[in-house]
This record gives sequence, C-alpha cells and structure tokens, in this order.
Amino acid sequence: GAGVSQSPSNKVTEKGKDVELRCDPISGHTALYWYRQSLGQGLEFLIYFQGNSAPDKSGLPSDRFSAERTGGSVSTLTIQRTQQEDSAVYLCASSPGSGTGYTEAFFGQGTRLTVV
Amino acid sequence: AQSVTQLGSHVSVSEGALVLLRCNYSSSVPPYLFWYVQYPNQGLQLLLKYTSAATLVKGINGFEAEFKKSETSFHLTKPSAHMSDAAEYFCAVSRGAAGNKLTFGGGTRVLVKP
Repeated sequence: GAGVSQSPSNKVTEKGKDVELRCDPISGHTALYWYRQSLGQGLEFLIYFQGNSAPDKSGLPSDRFSAERTGGSVSTLTIQRTQQEDSAVYLCASSPGSGTGYTEAFFGQGTRLTVV
Repeated sequence: AQSVTQLGSHVSVSEGALVLLRCNYSSSVPPYLFWYVQYPNQGLQLLLKYTSAATLVKGINGFEAEFKKSETSFHLTKPSAHMSDAAEYFCAVSRGAAGNKLTFGGGTRVLVKP
C-alpha cells in the first residue's frame, strides 16, 4: 500500500483480555516505531525496530506490553491482561531507516483501543 | 534527556489572522525538531522539520518555523489562518540521528473562527 496501515482501526476489549494490534509499514522502510496517544499522557514512544538490530524497548510501560516484527516488515504490538489505563490510540510509524541524516517517519491512522 | 514544552493546549484564532504556536525544547545534543499536524481521527502528518540546515524552515500549507538556539525555541507560524487549519499540532524533538525516536510536546489544539 501507499502508506502505513494499521488494524483494527478500533478495538473494544474487556479488562483482563489480551489484544494484538497490527502495523504494516511502507514497503522498503527498515525502521518501525510504536507510539501511544492518551488523554493523560499525550504522545509517548513505546518501541522502535531498526532492521535486524535489537529493538529499543525503552518506552514500553510494563511487561504486559510486547512487540515483534516479523521478516523486517509487519509488526504486532501485544498487550496482555489489558487494564483500563491501556485505553488509548496506538500509532505506528515507519521510515526509510538508518544511514546518515534524517529520514522522515510516516504515521498510520492508529488503532483506538478501549478497555471496558 | 530531551523534552518539549508547548505553551497553550488550546489556541483560538480568527480566519485570516496570524497563527502562532509556541514550542520550547531541551536537548543535550544538537536536536532535530519537527512540527506535526493531526486532523480528527487521522494519524500525524509532518508539517516541517529542522535538521541543522537553514534556521527558518518552510513547510506545507503555508506554515513556517524558526529555530532559535539561544531561546531553545521552534515556534510555528502562519500569516493567515484558514478554516482548514483547525487541527491539533505537535512539536517534537529527536536526538538527531536518523531513525531516533521522537519526544513530543503536549499538543496545541487550534480552533479557527469564521
């Protein structure tokens, strides 16, 4: 596709359930990021993948959160035992990747997660 | 460590008036600075970026921003607001290397009055 695609666009889940959020980056982009946007915390970095390097997980808020990126393309963000404070919009972005200089990150439209 | 402060969570301007959104940053290394816009139920779209070239940066939709190192600021302006500028605007900083994660300000929601 032409842009970053995220699915589902909306997800309602019961507290305590696990959820998986998917991100399809722009073809050929080696860098992939997950951010969370919530009313109380604004936009927060969660995790960053760059090629085959170990991901930067420094933004994951707890061990209930994990993410993987298969084949250097699609990424899945998993939240286990969801809590109401996990309700937020989860944004994925990709960029052409490392090298010298800056490369722009392109954002998907996000997945709105509501934990009830 | 990096941080970004946006002054004013909400700004109301009249159509045709100047838009000024304030952003101050802190960074331990020379920063890359960005402004993003988010329309309702949309992702983030890059308006403009400063990556250590010209300090006055022009972006899309008639927006521009000036990097002032002495003031650690990167304020966003547009001479004449249009109704379509109603959105939320985010200032962000990264540490300068390609692919580094962004640290965002709290956002400023712009309302444009006819």
